[in-house]
Amino acid sequence: AQSVTQLDSHVSVSEGTPVLLRCNYSSSYSPSLFWYVQHPNKGLQLLLKYTSAATLVKGINGFEAEFKKSETSFHLTKPSAHMSDAAEYFCVVSPYTGGFKTIFGAGTRLFVKA
Amino acid sequence: ETGVTQSPTHLIKTRGQQVTLRCSSQSGHNTVSWYQQALGQGPQFIFQYYREEENGRGNFPPRFSGLQFPNYSSELNVNALELDDSALYLCASSGGQGRTEAFFGQGTRLTVV
Repeated sequence: AQSVTQLDSHVSVSEGTPVLLRCNYSSSYSPSLFWYVQHPNKGLQLLLKYTSAATLVKGINGFEAEFKKSETSFHLTKPSAHMSDAAEYFCVVSPYTGGFKTIFGAGTRLFVKA
Repeated sequence: ETGVTQSPTHLIKTRGQQVTLRCSSQSGHNTVSWYQQALGQGPQFIFQYYREEENGRGNFPPRFSGLQFPNYSSELNVNALELDDSALYLCASSGGQGRTEAFFGQGTRLTVV
């Protein structure tokens, strides 16, 4: 069985400050892990994915995430927030690299203040 | 733009009715997955189709059914609509039986009254 928990439903940061969105997962096998972003009235966009290669994964728009097996975590970070980063972010776990039978977290809403 | 298109974008139905949602997959993709995203929640996996066969299903009742056509486009059908079926329905296409990156459409917003 697999599950994913996003530890914060809302995160608020000021523009130019670091972003940290937390995700813990549970899986009985080596999972693939993803972060997706959803802007209002738009579809989901893949930010980055971990598929058992390098534990530090770099994605689009300056985001990165580190897979920590000992902590069962896959937190998403960005050094400096931009207003355009305001959106809903989903941490996702799947037994397959492409996301078949994916389990989505409940989401974290990121607010960016000017 | 991902190349995955869904229609219609918005829909209002009455409880007990039936609805069909459509999805055109990205060129070259042979796998389509459907998700239900209730307000304020993450998407939940409904089922996946690979080469016109259902090859995986989430925890949804049989009144949720689907089809995939030879051109790999897909339909999601929901019978006997309930108020709780109100949600954003997302379609995603990928290649290799879901083993390559999935690209999502913008979704269909279904409201059941």
